[in-house]
Amino acid sequence: DAKTTQPNSMESNEEEPVHLPCNHSTISGTDYIHWYRQLPSQGPEYVIHGLTSNVNNRMASLAIAEDRKSSTLILHRATLRDAAVYYCILRDEDNAGNMLTFGGGTRLMVKP
Amino acid sequence: DSGVTQTPKHLITATGQRVTLRCSPRSGDLSVYWYQQSLDQGLQFLIQYYNGEERAKGNILERFSAQQFPDLHSELNLSSLELGDSALYFCASSRLGREGRDTQYFGPGTRLTVL
Repeated sequence: DAKTTQPNSMESNEEEPVHLPCNHSTISGTDYIHWYRQLPSQGPEYVIHGLTSNVNNRMASLAIAEDRKSSTLILHRATLRDAAVYYCILRDEDNAGNMLTFGGGTRLMVKP
Repeated sequence: DSGVTQTPKHLITATGQRVTLRCSPRSGDLSVYWYQQSLDQGLQFLIQYYNGEERAKGNILERFSAQQFPDLHSELNLSSLELGDSALYFCASSRLGREGRDTQYFGPGTRLTVL
């Protein structure tokens, strides 16, 4: 799977929007962009994924650049519960193994 | 609650010993994955099983082995344990385990401490 680059950490105020960036300049046409997060003392959890178009679900929105070389996870109103490590992961449509390759992720801190 | 269960939650053992970690996937999921999370290595994929057969292998040591049983639960066996094997071990499951879109659901993990 192609590599992603994320900032090590970000800070946000509670109830404000948060934009978490991810660069993936070597993305291929069949790579899906996935976001998972890991809350303290828990296993990772799925957040959202997309291929080309922007995506929304109850947890977040995913904005994908037109050239697909970067994407942004948007939390519309951060809460204290959103403090976690957020991982941006590329997965090939044809990934026979379907495993997740985690990088360092972005540690999001939310201030009350 | 992801629907994936792992036992035990905590395990403390000595070097040289052997332990077995157990995972029950979400109902209907055919694929099970094992990941190791240590402070220095981060989250690393170990091995995947799909409907009882090994599907993919990652950075799994020869001292480690896994299997998936007919009822789809899985066990990860760690033997000749070393201090460096101390880590969190996560199990995840997914519906198929074949497509890049297939979402994985993680269990709460087993914390292994080797003394």
